Amino acid sequence: DVKVTQSSRYLVKRTGEKVFLECVQDMDHENMFWYRQDPGLGLRLIYFSYDVKMKEKGDIPEGYSVSREKKERFSLILESASTNQTSMYLCASSFSPPGSPLHFGNGTRLTVT
Amino acid sequence: EDQVTQSPEALRLQEGESSSLNCSYTVSGLRGLFWYRQDPGKGPEFLFTLYSAGEEKEKERLKATLTKKESFLHITAPKPEDSATYLCAVNTGNQFYFGTGTSLTVIP
Repeated sequence: DVKVTQSSRYLVKRTGEKVFLECVQDMDHENMFWYRQDPGLGLRLIYFSYDVKMKEKGDIPEGYSVSREKKERFSLILESASTNQTSMYLCASSFSPPGSPLHFGNGTRLTVT
Repeated sequence: EDQVTQSPEALRLQEGESSSLNCSYTVSGLRGLFWYRQDPGKGPEFLFTLYSAGEEKEKERLKATLTKKESFLHITAPKPEDSATYLCAVNTGNQFYFGTGTSLTVIP
């Protein structure tokens, strides 16, 4: 079974802090993604990566950056956390051929106070 | 504009009462349609992939079907443990488009 592991289930941070969310997958997937999920807005893509050291902006990249130094690990960084970044963050991975399904981690519920 | 629409937003069923969830899509170049189950506070769990019109997939009480414009997730004789939000997503190559989900509640 595919396993996508997110380092924290719950996180509480203060406004202005730098926040790191870590994600590791064990299926040798080429693609990795970061989404946020908010009630009424569904899943929105923040960043994705097709290969090590490669990154592409998604629909809502402002206020975020990412890092992919190893194939299995994809990190999301909130440079200066703000209250409007309070959300559920979901990491996903997939094989590269089009039509390959996404496999998600269990999410990190981030609260910024 | 590429988009995915799910209906209904919420569905309450009595245990054993079969029904269907709908996912309609307007995208160019469908490469795959996916169904996920999401429990509260957890990430979406992958259920099925459908690639072409006429295709069907089954898992326990769930059966997914695909036409050129929509997909259905049929739930036969549901149990309370089937209560969850069911998400539909489509892939057009590099892009994934998600619906906002159907929240299913099965009452004992």
